This record gives sequence, structure tokens and C-alpha cells, in this order.
Amino acid sequence: DTEVTQTPKHLVMGMTNKKSLKCEQHMGHRAMYWYKQKAKKPPELMFVYSYEKLSINESVPSRFSPECPNSSLLNLHLHALQPEDSALYLCASSQLDLGFSYNEQFFGPGTRLTVL
Amino acid sequence: SQQGEEDPQALSIQEGENATMNCSYKTSINNLQWYRQNSGRGLVHLILIRSNEREKHSGRLRVTLDTSKKSSSLLITASRAADTASYFCATVNRGAAGNKLTFGGGTRVLVKP
Repeated sequence: DTEVTQTPKHLVMGMTNKKSLKCEQHMGHRAMYWYKQKAKKPPELMFVYSYEKLSINESVPSRFSPECPNSSLLNLHLHALQPEDSALYLCASSQLDLGFSYNEQFFGPGTRLTVL
Repeated sequence: SQQGEEDPQALSIQEGENATMNCSYKTSINNLQWYRQNSGRGLVHLILIRSNEREKHSGRLRVTLDTSKKSSSLLITASRAADTASYFCATVNRGAAGNKLTFGGGTRVLVKP
């Protein structure tokens, strides 16, 4: 199974709502990522988890809260978002060896988020 | 922040023609990767070239890397309508913490049947 799955595919939420995005992979990858992508722009890294521990936080506002419950799952909890947070949220995973070898990343199809 | 720029930003060609796009970057890299993204979908990894490699092939794809000029090119030969997509280069910077990819701005390719 070389697939990264993301749910939901689409999400519309108000600024006072709390919602979560979910990501799952069964490739045995020990690095997982969240990216944010605005229309016609490249993906921007938000968070990296390595061996289920947060290793990179790209100064993301605290209204985005990542969680890695186990090596296959990655969540992104959303609270009090702003309309400018509307974007495609992409999850990715990759192999990760002890030397942090830089391998290809496998992306999910994304969650299209609209904040009203 | 973006590592560099891609050129051109958009490209329109006829089916069967070759498509070439370029990527420039600013800092020393460990490797450079190319990804394809169909409209509104996830990215698909195409090819990875390491800093000590100069050229790599995969099917109809040819990638070159010139570390002295901090640039890379992606050539798609005999293009097909299904190659219509956005193409992004992404670098892993030498000495960067963790497994961090930094993407270029992307080239939008339209292959007309």
C-alpha cells in the first residue's frame, strides 16, 4: 500500500468551530508532514513529525495544533481559524533513517478547507 | 519561504512536443526533487537527483543539475495531454534540520491535444 489518505476531502467551518483533519499511511514511514497550499502557489511546510515527535514547527499559529497518535496517523486540530486560513491542506509521509536521509515524500490528495 | 524560482511560470505546448522547465535555488543542497500536481490534488514525486549527480532519467523525464549555477532543469519528451499539470522543484538544503522540502514557485504546463 503506497497510499496516503486524508479525510475529509472538503471542509467548511465557521471561525468559532473546532474541527480536525486526519491523515493515515501504512507504508511504515516514520516522518509525516503537514503542508498548506494556497491557489497557484507552492506548498508551504507547517509541521514535521519524526518518529512520532514534533521535529519542525514553521512558526505556525497556535490555532493549528498537530497530533501524531501513532506511527500511521497524523491529525491537525483546527480552532478559531480565520478566512485567510482557507487553503488546501496536504499531508505527506516519507522514510526516515537514523541519518535523516532525505527521501521522496508521498502526498495525500489533500483537504480543501474553507473558513467562513 | 521559497527556495528559488521556476521558469517559465506557465507553458503551453502541443501533444508530442517536448516541455522544458527550469529551477533555480539559492543555498547548497543535499538533493533536488521534482513533483507533479494535477489541479487541486496531491503532489506526486517524479524524480530525485542528488547533489553529486549531474543527470538522471526516468521514462520520458530527464533531469539535469548544475550545482555551480544552482539550477536544475526538467525535460518531458513526447508530451501527452495527461502531462497537463503543475510541476514543482523542491530542494533539501544541506544542513537543514529534519526532512524539510522547500518548493519553488512551480511551472503550469498545458499540453493541447
